[in-house]
This record gives sequence, C-alpha cells and structure tokens, in this order.
Amino acid sequence: GNSVTQMEGPVTLSEEAFLTINCTYTATGYPSLFWYVQYPGEGLQLLLKATKADDKGSNKGFEATYRKETTSFHLEKGSVQVSDSAVYFCALSANDYKLSFGAGTTVTVRA
Amino acid sequence: DTAVSQTPKYLVTQMGNDKSIKCEQNLGHDTMYWYKQDSKKFLKIMFSYNNKELIINETVPNRFSPKSPDKAHLNLHINSLELGDSAVYFCASSQGTESSYNSPLHFGNGTRLTVT
Repeated sequence: GNSVTQMEGPVTLSEEAFLTINCTYTATGYPSLFWYVQYPGEGLQLLLKATKADDKGSNKGFEATYRKETTSFHLEKGSVQVSDSAVYFCALSANDYKLSFGAGTTVTVRA
Repeated sequence: DTAVSQTPKYLVTQMGNDKSIKCEQNLGHDTMYWYKQDSKKFLKIMFSYNNKELIINETVPNRFSPKSPDKAHLNLHINSLELGDSAVYFCASSQGTESSYNSPLHFGNGTRLTVT
C-alpha cells in the first residue's frame, strides 16, 4: 500500500537556522507529493506540491524536490523564522481517492 | 468568508452521550472529508463524500455516522461516546473525486472533542 515516513520530531531551531525535514514514500505508480503545514490552533493548509520526478515545489521560502530514485521529498528552508513554528506533514496521493499522510513533524523556532 | 467552517470548536461531553459536529464549505467543492487527529498529531481519514455519496469509509466504528444533506455540508454524528474518541476532528474539502495534484485539500480549523 501507499505510505509516507517522515522524520520524528520535535525539532527545535534558532531563528535563521537551516531546516530540513526528511520524507520518504512507498507507492504504486507515480504519486503526487505534498507538504502541508498546521499552525497552532488551525487546520492543515497546503504548503507546496510536486507531481513528477525532479519537480521542485516551493512556497514561503520552503522547497522540496521530488526524487524518484530515492523515493524522497525532503522539505528545506534556508533561514527559518519564529512564525514557521508549526507541524509539517508530508503526504502523497496515488489516485486512490485519499491522501496518505506522514506522522507529522513538530518544529519550534526560538528567537 | 471562511472557506471550510466546522462547529463547535470545542466539545466536552461524558461517556455514553451522542454528539454531532457540523461542517460547511463555501468553495463549491464536490468532495468532503472527515479526518481524526490524535494526541500525537497523527492524521487518519475516516470518511469521504463526493456529491453526497460515500466514497471512502475507513475502518471506523459504526458509532460514527456521516451525513451529507448536500455537497456543501458533511456532518459527523457520534453515538455512545467513548474515552478513546477524544481527539481533534477535521473536516476538509476538495474539488474532484481524488486528492490530486490540482485539487489539494482545504481544512477547517478542527473540533477538539474531549470525552470524560
């Protein structure tokens, strides 16, 4: 079946530090890949996405590249801010009417 | 002009009670979902409706019953509440019958259910 594995948190960083959250997947066919972000007290919202190998999704300074050879979609940001404190979810869609989410990684950025 | 709104935001109740959570979306989407998020933030799909028809029904106790009066609403009714039902429940919507690249999910802000 389809599944997503992302690095466990929590992750605590200082402002302006580099952030990487690892995500690997298992899927049949060619899934679409997503990163969702959940800010405190809110629902999830789409952060970025990619649909095919070597595509790079980017938004709000975050980037992730669809790597078919390593079945990965790692999330990166070069300089985090306090406002980036949130829970980040990697997800895939393989045309089975639903998203498969990773377990979520809690990120806390300290001033 | 909230896109996906769910009520109530907080729900505290005793074991054995029956409760409902309501969800409405004004995005014109034709697919709606219920997700359950546990205390460790793990997110699990429960149900999905497309144009008022059930298309996803994961392994959920039959105490949980979704109802979709129209494609803009998907309510969740829970009978005989148990301690283990305590969680945050999220409603979401998307356009189309699949959570595809071109139709990401739009989530509500969640309903925190506490069963005592």
